[in-house]
Amino acid sequence: DAKTTQPTSMDCAEGRAANLPCNHSTISGNEYVYWYRQIHSQGPQYIIHGLKNNETNEMASLIITEDRKSSTLILPHATLRDTAVYYCIVAERSNDYKLSFGAGTTVTVRA
Amino acid sequence: NAGVMQNPRHLVRRRGQEARLRCSPMKGHSHVYWYRQLPEEGLKFMVYLQKENIIDESGMPKERFSAEFPKEGPSILRIQQVVRGDSAAYFCASSPRMGGPDTEAFFGQGTRLTVV
Repeated sequence: DAKTTQPTSMDCAEGRAANLPCNHSTISGNEYVYWYRQIHSQGPQYIIHGLKNNETNEMASLIITEDRKSSTLILPHATLRDTAVYYCIVAERSNDYKLSFGAGTTVTVRA
Repeated sequence: NAGVMQNPRHLVRRRGQEARLRCSPMKGHSHVYWYRQLPEEGLKFMVYLQKENIIDESGMPKERFSAEFPKEGPSILRIQQVVRGDSAAYFCASSPRMGGPDTEAFFGQGTRLTVV
């Protein structure tokens, strides 16, 4: 019942921007897009979320296409500590505590 | 300002024993959520509790699993008569009010249960 599709893995050079794509073609009008990451052996960490407008915070930017069928998480200046599994999730705000994480994208930042 | 504290970090149980996993929420947080991460899989929601109340247990297995969040003390996830398929990482998150990230829900480091 996966609602999102992400590449299995990607590499990124340290100091460069990392662009993580996510497809969510069946997203409904009241569902938000959430991004979390999980560094090895740690609990998940919230990154950012959005409905239809682009969002930016101190960690990342989220670009959502106009039709909302896909989005891109941008880590502007990747560091080695950004190596993690990144999860793209869609959920209604009223149920966003019931997030279901898929396989995610394993991002490896290389020096 | 301690984060969400889970203990033990690692737990080994023999088949048929009981496992008790503890979660102390962040100070001021009265909402607790439990998730399970099976090997090579993503996290799945199990249960959402407030103090002395189970709000949503739609993700809990029907048998052997129970959770509580008493008025005093940590939240407890209890697994009775453990089987090998219960081996997983169990994560707890807490928040000051219902909901996900923009209500500042934070995850603990998890308890890794191994059933032998």
